[in-house]
Amino acid sequence: QQQVKQSPQSLIVQKGGISIINCAYENTAFDYFPWYQQFPGKGPALLIAIRPDVSEKKEGRFTISFNKSAKQFSLHIMDSQPGDSATYFCAAKRQAGTALIFGKGTTLSVSS
Amino acid sequence: GAVVSQHPSRVICKSGTSVKIECRSLDFQATTMFWYRQFPKQSLMLMATSNEGSKATYEQGVEKDKFLINHASLTLSTLTVTSAHPEDSSFYICSARILRALDPYEQYFGPGTRLTVT
Repeated sequence: QQQVKQSPQSLIVQKGGISIINCAYENTAFDYFPWYQQFPGKGPALLIAIRPDVSEKKEGRFTISFNKSAKQFSLHIMDSQPGDSATYFCAAKRQAGTALIFGKGTTLSVSS
Repeated sequence: GAVVSQHPSRVICKSGTSVKIECRSLDFQATTMFWYRQFPKQSLMLMATSNEGSKATYEQGVEKDKFLINHASLTLSTLTVTSAHPEDSSFYICSARILRALDPYEQYFGPGTRLTVT
């Protein structure tokens, strides 16, 4: 059972455009929703995270939108740059001591 | 910032041999460490969760006798792949949760270890 569903699988965006990646979760006990960026051959790095008590969080060019009733959250990358080309994973966890459950990932390519 | 290191970064071993991967938290004590496996162009799949001084908890389908995890201290966890086979070839990534963290939910990931079994 896939607990976190991520779409699209791949995404091509022009430089300066907005990249949008979506995730949906099933377990209502989840209470922490981070997004990670991973470059080939490297470990994932935390980009931004949100708790269910807020509907939006912005850090620089990265914004998470969270819809608790729909059990969905999304990552928006504004002014996308070629350096943003990477694989992005959404994740969720239900308690601080438990492991993150990852979505399948989205490969983003930003064309110059 | 919190840094997690892994050693080695890549290793090639022959089928049937064992290989040990180390995961260290360099500037913090890790109450919990997690081991993930990632196949090419796929997501991170949790293998096991380990707490210092206690036995690891393995995910369903992960052979605990094949993937031995030792969490001997608050800064070191090791994963030993025993009797490795080519299908064990993968990218192994550890992550750690900081003891007494400002954000107890946050996990810090290591750079990964590329294992190739020939």
